[in-house]
Amino acid sequence: SQTIHQWPATLVQPVGSPLSLECTVEGTSNPNLYWYRQAAGRGLQLLFYSVGIGQISSEVPQNLSASRPQDRQFILSSKKLLLSDSGFYLCAWTKAFNEQFFGPGTRLTVL
Amino acid sequence: QQPVQSPQAVILREGEDAVINCSSSKALYSVHWYRQKHGEAPVFLMILLKGGEQKGHEKISASFNEKKQQSSLYLTASQLSYSGTYFCGTPLEAGSYQLTFGKGTKLSVIP
Repeated sequence: SQTIHQWPATLVQPVGSPLSLECTVEGTSNPNLYWYRQAAGRGLQLLFYSVGIGQISSEVPQNLSASRPQDRQFILSSKKLLLSDSGFYLCAWTKAFNEQFFGPGTRLTVL
Repeated sequence: QQPVQSPQAVILREGEDAVINCSSSKALYSVHWYRQKHGEAPVFLMILLKGGEQKGHEKISASFNEKKQQSSLYLTASQLSYSGTYFCGTPLEAGSYQLTFGKGTKLSVIP
């Protein structure tokens, strides 16, 4: 069966510090991968998606970036965090046009 | 453009029914429904791929009216476990694996 992992689960970072969130998927190959952000009490905002290694598409211009160094690994990064980057970050995967499976999420607080 | 959900929030007593609507100003190619409990990741409920399609999952069902560009989620004889925020998601364009989500409908079921 397939599983999706995210870490860390929670993170508190000062403004201006770097960020690296990791997502890995097990039990499948060549998945489509997604990064979403959810601000407190808000909906899901698609940040990045990837259909393959090294292929990243950005939906929203911001100070975040994403990389996919391996087939089942998706990384979200920032060089300098802003207060507005706080939120619940969710990684998701899908195969073909089907349901998206979400990871457990990372709760990021920028102080 | 993200779909519009209504109502934004609803409070039910156990055993009551509810309807959550999802509509779009542009063509709806398919509709995904998810439920998210507080502090957790969204969980897939169902996907409707064709106009006129109806699906059920225990006492939760949904319909898709392609011509009206809307979908409705029906919760009957609600249980406490139904509490959470319900999101509908639709592809940005035909055949796209990227979903845009509505802002969510917060459902609270009380004893």
